[in-house]
Amino acid sequence: EPEVTQTPSHQVTQMGQEVILRCVPISNHLYFYWYRQILGQKVEFLVSFYNNEISEKSEIFDDQFSVERPDGSNFTLKIRSTKLEDSAMYFCASSARGNQPQHFGDGTRLSIL
Amino acid sequence: AQSVTQPDIHITVSEGASLELRCNYSYGATPYLFWYVQSPGQGLQLLLKYFSGDTLVQGIKGFEAEFKRSQSSFNLRKPSVHWSDAAEYFCAVDGGAGSNYKLTFGKGTLLTVNP
Repeated sequence: EPEVTQTPSHQVTQMGQEVILRCVPISNHLYFYWYRQILGQKVEFLVSFYNNEISEKSEIFDDQFSVERPDGSNFTLKIRSTKLEDSAMYFCASSARGNQPQHFGDGTRLSIL
Repeated sequence: AQSVTQPDIHITVSEGASLELRCNYSYGATPYLFWYVQSPGQGLQLLLKYFSGDTLVQGIKGFEAEFKRSQSSFNLRKPSVHWSDAAEYFCAVDGGAGSNYKLTFGKGTLLTVNP
């Protein structure tokens, strides 16, 4: 069964550094999402992306965050200048269409020191 | 705004016992509802979904859920729990096109299965 893959599985970064989290969505999917889960808290929506543009973003997704689909397969989340509170598990998801179930990757655990 | 409440943070059941995990949602229209399961170190796996039609939906691994509009609930059930069902379970609501299909999750219910 096709799946969403995320790399790396764990990223450790110094505060203030830039970090890029990578995702390869399921190949025929058109809608892409990032979520995050701070340890012990619920999964929170960050951003949705369709037709090469952001379709919705949460208040968490401020100017320090950006997303890109640089080619036909990758979908990236960049945090420009990381803060301690960015430490979390970041999940990528994709769906074939907007009203279809989202399929999640295994996540990238981001640790900011 | 849509929201999801999972009242039980942690539930412990014995293997072979029945299970019901509670989920209540708040949403203005007919929601799309989901249950996901997360094993340690893993991503979120879709167990089942409700979009419309039959209010009792079947999912993978022997799980089912019932949508009750009058109670704004979407409880997850399994008649006989297996040790491998130990995981964290998340209920989620999709706000549809108006919210660009973003999922809003509950805080999750951690399931422990005793032998």
